[in-house]
Amino acid sequence: DQQVKQNSPSLSVQEGRISILNCDYTNSMFDYFLWYKKYPAEGPTFLISISSIKDKNEDGRFTVFLNKSAKHLSLHIVPSQPGDSAVYFCAASGETSGSRLTFGEGTQLTVNP
Amino acid sequence: DTEVTQTPKHLVMGMTNKKSLKCEQHMGHRAMYWYKQKAKKPPELMFVYSYEKLSINESVPSRFSPECPNSSLLNLHLHALQPEDSALYLCASSQETLGTGELFFGEGSRLTVL
Repeated sequence: DQQVKQNSPSLSVQEGRISILNCDYTNSMFDYFLWYKKYPAEGPTFLISISSIKDKNEDGRFTVFLNKSAKHLSLHIVPSQPGDSAVYFCAASGETSGSRLTFGEGTQLTVNP
Repeated sequence: DTEVTQTPKHLVMGMTNKKSLKCEQHMGHRAMYWYKQKAKKPPELMFVYSYEKLSINESVPSRFSPECPNSSLLNLHLHALQPEDSALYLCASSQETLGTGELFFGEGSRLTVL
């Protein structure tokens, strides 16, 4: 039962353009969402998060949008840079899940110069 | 210092060997985690330690044995592993074990079981 889904295994964009990575979830008890970035041979690094009481959180070039009614969140990167090329994992947690983070399967983003 | 350091980075072991993976953090975090990640798959939670006590064991086989000697260290003892246990083992820490709050991951230990 995949409670967090990233339906696009890969995404390719041109440098300077916007990258939009999508994530859907099924568990209505999730109330906190995070995005992690992972380069090859490294552990995931935290990128940005959003609480369910908000619908948008922005940090520099990165913005996460949350649509609770649709159980959908997205990560926008603008402008995209070649150094953004990595695997992006969406993750979710809730008060009832304690310290369990449920990860999506990841989206490989490639930003072409 | 905001790092989680894991050793060794790579480990090759036979099915009859006993080995250990080590993890260390000096951020004063009170929760530490072991995750397992197979290629092209998301990290899967194995164990959670909260204040040096095992709080979550996600039905992991007993051939994996975690240990938390103190608040900065986390070990994963390996014995009689199977080839399908080959994976990237990630250690992480967080300030607390509540559902919110980011995890800080180490670079992982790449394990190959022959």
